[in-house]
Amino acid sequence: AQTVTQSQPEMSVQEAETVTLSCTYDTSESDYYLFWYKQPPSRQMILVIRQEAYKQQNATENRFSVNFQKAAKSFSLKISDSQLGDAAMYFCAYRRTTSGSRLTFGEGTQLTVNP
Amino acid sequence: DVKVTQSSRYLVKRTGEKVFLECVQDMDHENMFWYRQDPGLGLRLIYFSYDVKMKEKGDIPEGYSVSREKKERFSLILESASTNQTSMYLCANRKGGGEDYGYTFGSGTRLTVV
Repeated sequence: AQTVTQSQPEMSVQEAETVTLSCTYDTSESDYYLFWYKQPPSRQMILVIRQEAYKQQNATENRFSVNFQKAAKSFSLKISDSQLGDAAMYFCAYRRTTSGSRLTFGEGTQLTVNP
Repeated sequence: DVKVTQSSRYLVKRTGEKVFLECVQDMDHENMFWYRQDPGLGLRLIYFSYDVKMKEKGDIPEGYSVSREKKERFSLILESASTNQTSMYLCANRKGGGEDYGYTFGSGTRLTVV
């Protein structure tokens, strides 16, 4: 079974600084999707960024980028120029590419942004 | 945009009660999911459904059942609520197929069993 591990229950960063959230996963599949979701206090899960395993290039969305290391099964999220609105719970998630596959989530990392 | 609506934001029930958590989508998406969210454990899958009247157990189905009589509605049922079912419950949906069409989540129901 696939597992996703986030080893940092809490992280903090100063406004305008950069922070990196860690995620490792375990799978025997060669093709799959990886995601970072953000959950603010409103509870609404928001997709931050997505990576397809067969793509070598790291995904980027504005201030958010990932460091995808397939061999090491590592998928970290870097947030640049942190803003107060980035404060949230962040979840790393994995999904196989086969139809009907479900998302498997990590434990989550609570990010605090200090003004 | 696809909307996933959970009927209650907060719910308080007594031990032993039968509890229904409702989730409704406004698009014709095949896949629907029920997750439970607990601190330090992330989101864990309870049940999911590929289509009407179809259901599959997730990782923690014990104590729960589901119903999907219509495509737009996916209900989670706690047959006899217990205090260890106090949690946040999140519903999600997704268009069917192997491609990643993205998941849409509801805003969650925080259930307290007393």
